Amino acid sequence: DAGVIQSPRHEVTEMGQEVTLRCKPISGHNSLFWYRQTMMRGLELLIYFNNNVPIDDSGMPEDRFSAKMPNASFSTLKIQPSEPRDSAVYFCATSILGAKNIQYFGAGTRLSVL
Amino acid sequence: KQEVTQIPAALSVPEGENLVLNCSFTDSAIYNLQWFRQDPGKGLTSLLLIQSSQREQTSGRLNASLDKSSGRSTLYIAASQPGDSATYLCAVRPLDSSYKLIFGSGTRLLVRP
Repeated sequence: DAGVIQSPRHEVTEMGQEVTLRCKPISGHNSLFWYRQTMMRGLELLIYFNNNVPIDDSGMPEDRFSAKMPNASFSTLKIQPSEPRDSAVYFCATSILGAKNIQYFGAGTRLSVL
Repeated sequence: KQEVTQIPAALSVPEGENLVLNCSFTDSAIYNLQWFRQDPGKGLTSLLLIQSSQREQTSGRLNASLDKSSGRSTLYIAASQPGDSATYLCAVRPLDSSYKLIFGSGTRLLVRP
């Protein structure tokens, strides 16, 4: 398996623009996580899906952020409108929900909002 | 609220040295603890997972210990190599969650040739 695939790897955009980050999970994994990593706040969970259903979105910072998982093979994280403080590395991770729940991370998308 | 702290934030050692990375957490009600490795520009890779009922786990030159009652874990790296240079993060899974991980801020390790 190719692992968790995220695209794009890098995104540079201007304030106010819409940004869409994409994630393809490992086949057979039923849990998907979106994280944000910054120097100031470390790694934070934004949203968690189980079997394509959003279970916990308490980490989504505000209404400008939205996430979808239309099927087991694809998820998106959208920021509209983007702001400079959204600049961070965004990771997608997937797992098989169970006793150990080891999460496998994608390589991340580095977002810069100018 | 569970908080995870890693000290030191950065560490530089010569090749061949044995070293210890520290992780502490404020709430002992955890299901397990994981150590991850993060290389620059890459995602996290799980190294070791210790269940709350376990005291340690070993994988090759890595040994992780867990003292749940005192809220501490250590990652021991034997005979360090330049390829071990990376950021190491620990994360705890709270007892009341089937999925949530609370991460420390990491220790950035540099092993000098």
